[in-house]
Amino acid sequence: QKEVEQDPGPLSVPEGAIVSLNCTYSNSAFQYFMWYRQYSRKGPELLMYTYSSGNKEDGRFTAQVDKSSKYISLFIRDSQPSDSATYLCAMAEVSGGYNKLIFGAGTRLAVHP
Amino acid sequence: DTGVSQDPRHKITKRGQNVTFRCDPISEHNRLYWYRQTLGQGPEFLTYFQNEAQLEKSRLLSDRFSAERPKGSFSTLEIQRTEQGDSAMYLCASSLEPANEKLFFGSGTQLSVL
Repeated sequence: QKEVEQDPGPLSVPEGAIVSLNCTYSNSAFQYFMWYRQYSRKGPELLMYTYSSGNKEDGRFTAQVDKSSKYISLFIRDSQPSDSATYLCAMAEVSGGYNKLIFGAGTRLAVHP
Repeated sequence: DTGVSQDPRHKITKRGQNVTFRCDPISEHNRLYWYRQTLGQGPEFLTYFQNEAQLEKSRLLSDRFSAERPKGSFSTLEIQRTEQGDSAMYLCASSLEPANEKLFFGSGTQLSVL
C-alpha cells in the first residue's frame, strides 16, 4: 500500500463547476500538506500549503486537512478551462529538518467550456 | 525569470550512454532537491543538498547515479550507463530554510533512453 493514495481520474467537469480533489494517507507523522498543479510537460507549481489540520482559502481554492481521518481535500470553485491540469497532493513529516515530500500519483482534471 | 532553471529540457540517448543534467536553483535558496517522475505517477525523492553537502540519497539512486552541487550553487545529476528504465522526467526543486519550507520546482528534464 502506498503512503499516499490519490484517484488518478481523469475528472471532467463543465466550466463553473465546483471541483473536489482528495488524497488519503497512512503515515500519521505527516504534518505538512501541499497541493501542486502540473501542466503537461511542466514542473509542479505550488498551489496551497497547510501545516497540520484545518482549512486554508486562497481565491477560488480551498484546502482542507482532516488528520483524524488521514484525508486531505482541495476544492476549486468556479472552475475555468485554464484549471485543466494534473493536481498532485504532497505531504511531509517534520524529520531531519527538511521536507522530503511524498506525492500522490496526481488527478487529471479537464474543465470544458 | 528568477525561478528554478533546468537544462536541457529534453534528452534522447541510447542505452549505455552517460547523460548529465544541470539545475540552477533560485539564487537565495540554499536547499536543493532532485526528484524523478514517471508517466502517470507523482514525483519521487532522489536526493537532497543543503548548500554543497549532499545529506540524503534515496534507495532509488543506484550507483550509476551521482549528483553534485559544487560551491552550493548549481547542481548536476549524472547517470552512467543509462538503461531504458531510467526514462523519466527529472525534476529539480529548491527552497529556503527553515523546516516549514516550500519547494519550488523547475520544468524538468525529460529523458528518453532508446
